[in-house]
Amino acid sequence: QVQLVESGGGVVQPGRSLTLSCAASGFTFSSYAMHWVRQAPGKGLEWVALISHDGSKKYYADSVKGRFTISRDDSKNTLFLQMSSLRAGDTAVYYCAREGYSISWYYFDYWGQGTLVTVSS
Amino acid sequence: DIQMTQSPSSLSASVGDRVTITCRASQSINRYLNWYQQQPGKAPKLLIYAAFSLQSGVPSRFSGSGSGTDFTLTISSLQPEDFATYYCQQSYTTPQTFGQGTKLEIK
Repeated sequence: QVQLVESGGGVVQPGRSLTLSCAASGFTFSSYAMHWVRQAPGKGLEWVALISHDGSKKYYADSVKGRFTISRDDSKNTLFLQMSSLRAGDTAVYYCAREGYSISWYYFDYWGQGTLVTVSS
Repeated sequence: DIQMTQSPSSLSASVGDRVTITCRASQSINRYLNWYQQQPGKAPKLLIYAAFSLQSGVPSRFSGSGSGTDFTLTISSLQPEDFATYYCQQSYTTPQTFGQGTKLEIK
């Protein structure tokens, strides 16, 4: 069965860096685009970043552009999110999500359990 | 960016009730509209994609409709496990934006 397992969250000081990982299993990882979505405590969902199935295209929310980098290692079935210059506003649960598709329709059909990032001094 | 606006933000209902949640896009998104359910402390779960296609394994009491800018999610007969927060999301263009959520509570 499809599984996505995030890791790497924790408490980090403002201005510092952190890298999140998402280990995928149960499907052909290299065939799917992958996303990061975050949720601040008590708030709604915010899309963060997208990487195409082959890694050639990457897109970011304006709120993280220039600070976050999405990448993937298909040999290890793992998705990454490198976060730098972290701010208090980046505090959230970070989810990785698979982009499912049917014909021309796209959606997040599988999600990880999330990993909490807390930016605080 | 496309703005997604859900209404209501919260809703109280009873088991067995029929409820409808509305989602409006700031511009036409064709049928690129998905619905998710999120239980407290859990990851979101896909319910409906492409406005009205039911995701595999999702009970048939959930249905979606709409196209263009106006969409609805309907739960025909609420069950205890349906009390959760619901989000719409457009996948028409990047950034893929979500509505602010509708919290469905027990009356």
